Amino acid sequence: QQPVQSPQAVILREGEDAVINCSSSKALYSVHWYRQKHGEAPIFLMILLKGGEQKGHDKISASFNEKKQQSSLYLTASQLSYSGTYFCGTERVSYGKLTFGQGTILTVHP
Amino acid sequence: GAVVSQHPSRVICKSGTSVKIECRSLDFQATTMFWYRQFPKQSLMLMATSNEGSKATYEQGVEKDKFLINHASLTLSTLTVTSAHPEDSSFYICSADPEERRTQYFGPGTRLLVL
Repeated sequence: QQPVQSPQAVILREGEDAVINCSSSKALYSVHWYRQKHGEAPIFLMILLKGGEQKGHDKISASFNEKKQQSSLYLTASQLSYSGTYFCGTERVSYGKLTFGQGTILTVHP
Repeated sequence: GAVVSQHPSRVICKSGTSVKIECRSLDFQATTMFWYRQFPKQSLMLMATSNEGSKATYEQGVEKDKFLINHASLTLSTLTVTSAHPEDSSFYICSADPEERRTQYFGPGTRLLVL
């Protein structure tokens, strides 16, 4: 039931773009995206509630394809501060528990 | 807003002792809190859902007698690791959901090392 994230790791130079994907084998109600720095708690980025919904936060945006049970996180013009591990958390019912993917390690170099 | 605190941030204990970890929602009330465990370079694994005023709901494979959860108030949940062993060493993180915001906010985590 754990969603599958791809790629497992990404290495970028500052200013480059990246896409992180999250796929589930089960129907989803929502997808939540978090970023975690080493040794710290995950920080909430955004939630996508409806199929086809897209949200943006500064230069980080995401989409949710409900039919395909997939979500993608888009990071444009990456900054050094974007480095960390990105997790998607999926929810199958409203106010249900979150099941997290295995994480994608993003490293941004100067 | 939506700040969650945890205490202690780090604890080292001897094998066989019990350790209590507190999770507090500082600026909102939470009828539900969640406890996760994260091993190095792995994902967050849900251990249990803590419900204010009722028993916690444990995930499959999590021993409820070993990981005692008490949701004493709308702002406080505690996790007690009883008779801790070295294999219990991990990063324990709690989260809470201020329902109007529709997502979980995480505490800073507690790093437990059992010697």
